[in-house]
Amino acid sequence: NAGVTQTPKFRVLKTGQSMTLLCAQDMNHEYMYWYRQDPGMGLRLIHYSVGEGTTAKGEVPDGYNVSRLKKQNFLLGLESAAPSQTSVYFCASSYGRLAASYEQYFGPGTRLTVT
Amino acid sequence: LAKTTQPISMDSYEGQEVNITCSHNNIATNDYITWYQQFPSQGPRFIIQGYKTKVTNEVASLFIPADRKSSTLSLPRVSLSDTAVYYCLVGVGNNDMRFGAGTRLTVKP
Repeated sequence: NAGVTQTPKFRVLKTGQSMTLLCAQDMNHEYMYWYRQDPGMGLRLIHYSVGEGTTAKGEVPDGYNVSRLKKQNFLLGLESAAPSQTSVYFCASSYGRLAASYEQYFGPGTRLTVT
Repeated sequence: LAKTTQPISMDSYEGQEVNITCSHNNIATNDYITWYQQFPSQGPRFIIQGYKTKVTNEVASLFIPADRKSSTLSLPRVSLSDTAVYYCLVGVGNNDMRFGAGTRLTVKP
C-alpha cells in the first residue's frame, strides 16, 4: 500500500496563477483533510471531507477550494495564488470521524512558493 | 477561542526521559488527545492517543489529568533519532480540532 500520496512535491507559482494539488489514498478512508504548515504555527486545517461528494471548511479556508469526486482522491485548488499562500501543504486521511479521535495518515507534503 | 499551547523547543541528552506538555483550554468532552511526531521534509506520524489517565505503548506514554486541560507526552530514554517536532492534537468542538504549534525536541549526544 502506498498510503497517502501527494502531487506535486514542489511548485513555484506567480501571483494570480492557479493550480490544483492532488491527494490520493489507498486505505479506503472516509475522511480526508488538507492542512497548511507555516513556521511557528503548526498545522492548520483548510478544508476537509467526510466522504465522497462532501466537503467542509476548516480553520483557514479562504482562497482555497476543494473537491472529492472519488473516495480515494481529494483535490485542493488555488484559483488566484497570493504570496500569503506560500506554505507546505499536507493531505491526510482517517478511518473515522473528524477531530482527534482517529489516527490520521499524512502524505509527504507539497512545498508551494508564490512569488 | 480554543487554544492549544506547547513549548516551542526543548533540549535533552541521550538516555534521558523527556516530558512535553500541551495545554488545551477548551477540549471537547468526548474527544481524544493525540500526539504526532514530524521529521524534516516528512508528514506527521501518529505516536500515541488517550482520553484520560495514562496510556502507554511501545514508544511513549501519555498522561492526562482528570480535568483534561493538559496532557503530557513522555518519551523514555530518548536517542538521537527522537530529534523531531512533536505536535498535540485535540478536538475542540463538535466537529473541530486544533494542532498545537509544535515542540522542537533536540537530543544531544
